[in-house]
Amino acid sequence: HVQLQQSGPGLVKPSQTLSLTCVISGVSVSSNSATWNWIRQSPSRGLEWLGRTYYRSRWYNDYAVSVKSRLTVNADISKNEFFLHLNSVTPEDSALYYCARGGSGWYNDYWGQGTLVTVSS
Amino acid sequence: EIVLTQSPGTLSLSPGERATLSCRASQSVTSSYLAWYQQKPGQAPRLLIYGASSRATGIPDRFSGSGSGTDFTLTISRLEPEDFAVYYCQQYGSSPLYTFGQGTKVEIK
Repeated sequence: HVQLQQSGPGLVKPSQTLSLTCVISGVSVSSNSATWNWIRQSPSRGLEWLGRTYYRSRWYNDYAVSVKSRLTVNADISKNEFFLHLNSVTPEDSALYYCARGGSGWYNDYWGQGTLVTVSS
Repeated sequence: EIVLTQSPGTLSLSPGERATLSCRASQSVTSSYLAWYQQKPGQAPRLLIYGASSRATGIPDRFSGSGSGTDFTLTISRLEPEDFAVYYCQQYGSSPLYTFGQGTKVEIK
């Protein structure tokens, strides 16, 4: 049974880096049929896909243009987890952040519980 | 960028009634890459339909999806009390890789 468990701070100061962790159980992060995604939700932007990492003999990444210059998504096979690192955050990055699996490479069939992040000094 | 527009914004219905939700894309979407999600307050979205019409594991058969090109529909044949929630459509494959509609709220009349 696949489960995703998120952790990370709920409050980040402007200009700092937001780092979130998603611990995976029930499947390997290096699965050849899955992708590992970060999605956020806010009243102003709705549901917004941010980026993903996946393994197909080597690691690949894709990022939304809106955050591409500030976002890194990577994974740790030994701990079976993946990460979001968003730098230079502003109050506009305040949102509920979710990690989610891309089953069969795309549809988001498993989600983490969500982490509410506020960017404020 | 493909924009997904959902209608109506809010649907007020009674348990037992049929719900028909629309998702219209600004450009043609590959049917294989259109999904629907249900979200309840305080919960993450839950996958209902993928590939426009395939039900996800454990999803009751009162949920069905249809459509192609730019027009897609989610139908709930007979609303159960637990079906009152917000529903989102999602497309995959166009830059950005994923986009979501703004959601349709199905509320109790």
